Amino acid sequence: QSVLTQSPSASGTPGQRVTISCSGSSSNIGSNYVYWYQQLPGTAPKLLIYRNNQRPSGVPDRFSGSKSGTSASLAISGLRSEDEADYYCATWDDSLSGRVFGGGTKLTVL
Amino acid sequence: EVQLLESGGGLVQPGGSLRLSCAASGFTFSSYAVSWVRQAPGKGLEWVSGISGSGRSTYYADSVKGRFTISRDNSKNTLYLQMNSLRAGDTAVYYCAKAETTVTTGSDYWGQGTLVTVSS
Repeated sequence: QSVLTQSPSASGTPGQRVTISCSGSSSNIGSNYVYWYQQLPGTAPKLLIYRNNQRPSGVPDRFSGSKSGTSASLAISGLRSEDEADYYCATWDDSLSGRVFGGGTKLTVL
Repeated sequence: EVQLLESGGGLVQPGGSLRLSCAASGFTFSSYAVSWVRQAPGKGLEWVSGISGSGRSTYYADSVKGRFTISRDNSKNTLYLQMNSLRAGDTAVYYCAKAETTVTTGSDYWGQGTLVTVSS
């Protein structure tokens, strides 16, 4: 059971907008930055969003992040087949004194 | 270019020990916290341990506390994870990951991982 809650799966058709949510608590999302990662099959995770809503250079602006209270969201617009991957949210938990991850959301592009 | 290269993984029997290493390059190693994150086969990501840039502060997941020890040698730009009393549940790909800044911030760069298999 992950400290951060994500839906196990999400799907969309090419060109659509998809949102992946991440729910936590006051000790984690509520008081720390949220990070989002994309993991393609057989590869290491890649940073998509840092500090709630910042995109690293090289990440398309189709990817955006937001945070409100104890929840965060990753939005992907103009969905493409290469977006099919696992997506994870992560943050620091002050009560656990450790980093916590969501269970991951498997995105399928239909 | 930031690079993180893990090594030291392999097959070990339950109760055995293993030491992982992560060679870092492309950034000022001592200025950043680094962490170990693992992924069991077919499962999600699990943070294992983190260490501050100076090495003075260390943090562990409850699942490994007392069995694993994280350390770093800033003169060699290398991160370590000493794993003792290994269990079948420790079987995973272990990733080395650089923090954005301090240990409480997320990771911005990841290595390719090294596989640890605990089995008799």
